[in-house]
Amino acid sequence: EIVLTQSPGTLSLSPGERATLSCRASQSVTTNYLAWYQQKSGQAPRLLVYAASFRATGIPDRFSGSGSGTDFTLTISRLEPEDFAVYYCQQYGRSPSTFGQGTKVDIK
Amino acid sequence: EVQLVQSGAEVKKPGESLKISCKVSGYTFTSYWIGWVRQMPGKGLEWIGIIYPTDSDTRYNPSFQGQVTISTDKSISTAYLQWSSLKASDTAMYYCVRSVSADWCFDLWGRGTLVTVSS
Repeated sequence: EIVLTQSPGTLSLSPGERATLSCRASQSVTTNYLAWYQQKSGQAPRLLVYAASFRATGIPDRFSGSGSGTDFTLTISRLEPEDFAVYYCQQYGRSPSTFGQGTKVDIK
Repeated sequence: EVQLVQSGAEVKKPGESLKISCKVSGYTFTSYWIGWVRQMPGKGLEWIGIIYPTDSDTRYNPSFQGQVTISTDKSISTAYLQWSSLKASDTAMYYCVRSVSADWCFDLWGRGTLVTVSS
């Protein structure tokens, strides 16, 4: 199965700053089938980005995804207070679908 | 409103059986796949499996094959995840999720069902 490694484990930033989250795959992700989710404390995850770079419905444009092959990035251009959460990447191009271990974005 | 409504929290003993549910509302049940995702306490997300309600085509993560069963009841637009003999290691939050295919991401999530297995 494809192993996804997210870095850093924790990102400590202030509101208004730019956040750059990385997701690296152990093998090339088929057709760039890579998604990003946000999970706030005590809530279910929410889809942010699919197919590496397409924002899901209703997601603000400060969230953007990029990358291909084995290296993917989620960028939050200017952090809002509600963006402090845990972020997961998921590959769904090869079964079984797998998730990264998560990156926590917390307030500095 | 389009949503996945999951059954309530469960507390069970090791060896007991359990079936948790996920009721679909706001869209046609047979138009999408329904999957399940596990999140153990303080841990990340794991894909368990997925089912297509139209024909019950079911795919499992090999790590969960034989440990759980996924099913649906089209008459009440509900999907299920069941165990025949629970273990303490099954303690986790279980989310049902929606997908447009067996090989796609999850655009809609239920709020989760917390399953606690303890003697």
